[in-house]
Amino acid sequence: DAGITQSPRYKITETGRQVTLMCHQTWSHSYMFWYRQDLGHGLRLIYYSAAADITDKGEVPDGYVVSRSKTENFPLTLESATRSQTSVYFCASSENRPSNTGELFFGEGSRLTVL
Amino acid sequence: GDSVTQMEGPVTLSEEAFLTINCTYTATGYPSLFWYVQYPGEGLQLLLKATKADDKGSNKGFEATYRKETTSFHLEKGSVQVSDSAVYFCALGSSNTGKLIFGQGTTLQVKP
Repeated sequence: DAGITQSPRYKITETGRQVTLMCHQTWSHSYMFWYRQDLGHGLRLIYYSAAADITDKGEVPDGYVVSRSKTENFPLTLESATRSQTSVYFCASSENRPSNTGELFFGEGSRLTVL
Repeated sequence: GDSVTQMEGPVTLSEEAFLTINCTYTATGYPSLFWYVQYPGEGLQLLLKATKADDKGSNKGFEATYRKETTSFHLEKGSVQVSDSAVYFCALGSSNTGKLIFGQGTTLQVKP
C-alpha cells in the first residue's frame, strides 16, 4: 500500500538493549523526519534527512542513530535504550522543504516502552 | 530562536459549542503557519495553513487567520462535533532551519 509505514507499532524492551524502529515511505519524498511525542513536550525532532545519505541532528538527538542508504527507508536506532526514551515515535516525510509547504505526512507511530 | 506557544489543555466542550484554541509564535522573518490534528491512535495530519499575513486557512469547518500584528494563529470552529475530539498542534515553518516547529499540542474533548 502507498504511504508511510512504521514498524513495530509496539515494542517493549529493557534498559541497555539496542532497538531499531523502521520507517518506509512509498512516495519517494526527499525529506524524512523522526519525532518523539511526550506529554508536556509535544513533538520534538530527533533527526531528519534531506535526501539519501544526508542526515542531520534535530532538537533531541542524543542516544539515537539514523541512516538513510535508500530514499524510501529511514531507520532509527537506539543504541542502548534508557527509560527516558520511553515514548511514542513518529516518522514523517515531505516532498519539499517543510517550512514552505508545511505538509508532512506522518506514520501511525511506534510506541516504545523501556523497562 | 523560533517557537510556538499553545494554550494548555485539555479543552472540554459540549457538542455544537464554539471552539477557540490559542496559538502564538515567535519567529524571525515571515514564517508560514499550520495547524495539525492527531486523532486517537493515529499520526498527525495537516488541517490547514496560511503562508502570509492576513491569510485565512480553512478546512472541515475550522479556520485560522495569520495575525502578524499579534503574532497569533488561533484555531476556531463555530460548532464542534464529537468526531472533532483530537489533539491539535500549531506549527510554524522556520525560514532559518527549513523545518517545522510544533507547539505542545492541545487536547480537545467534545461531549455529546
